Amino acid sequence: GENVEQHPSTLSVQEGDSAVIKCTYSDSASNYFPWYKQELGKGPQLIIDIRSNVGEKKDQRIAVTLNKTAKHFSLHITETQPEDSAVYFCAAGDPGNQFYFGTGTSLTVIP
Amino acid sequence: DARVTQTPRDKVTEMGQEVTMRCQPILGHNTVFWYRQTMMQGLELLAYFRNRAPLDDSGMPKDRFSAEMPDATLATLKIQPSEPRDSAVYFCASARGTGGNEQFFGPGTRLTVL
Repeated sequence: GENVEQHPSTLSVQEGDSAVIKCTYSDSASNYFPWYKQELGKGPQLIIDIRSNVGEKKDQRIAVTLNKTAKHFSLHITETQPEDSAVYFCAAGDPGNQFYFGTGTSLTVIP
Repeated sequence: DARVTQTPRDKVTEMGQEVTMRCQPILGHNTVFWYRQTMMQGLELLAYFRNRAPLDDSGMPKDRFSAEMPDATLATLKIQPSEPRDSAVYFCASARGTGGNEQFFGPGTRLTVL
């Protein structure tokens, strides 16, 4: 089955700096890579996703890059704000079917 | 604003008791997932359904866990008998299935088994 690894497990940045979270996956059949944000006491919420036929996608301060050859993808958050503090999960899988989640990154943005 | 609902939000029970968690998927979503989240294991998929039929329940301990969809608006996850190691947050998520990408997560049920 698929194995998704995520790094780092914790990340602290100063407000306004950038944050980068990296994930690798093992199954070349995975073709969909979502990123979820989980705030304390809530369920994960999708913030951005990318399909395997796209190398990069951007939505305001958030961007995701995918290197299909190397089987890794990354989340980039620019101009971080305190409200970006949360746990972020990457996942790999097939849309509408099973996702395999990484172990999560706890991001703290220091005002 | 369509969202997945889960009940109860919190459940404290004693070892050996039966626990039932309920989920109402978003109307029109035909795929429902059950996840368990713990600090040690992260987000684990327990089972998922499409059009009310189980597609994969390999992540679920069969001897004590069961998952069903009595109808399209209700999914249930039961644990009988419950054990302290079952303490976790259980999430339900739904998706549109074919053509749908995003899994929409509910707020979760925090289960504590004493």
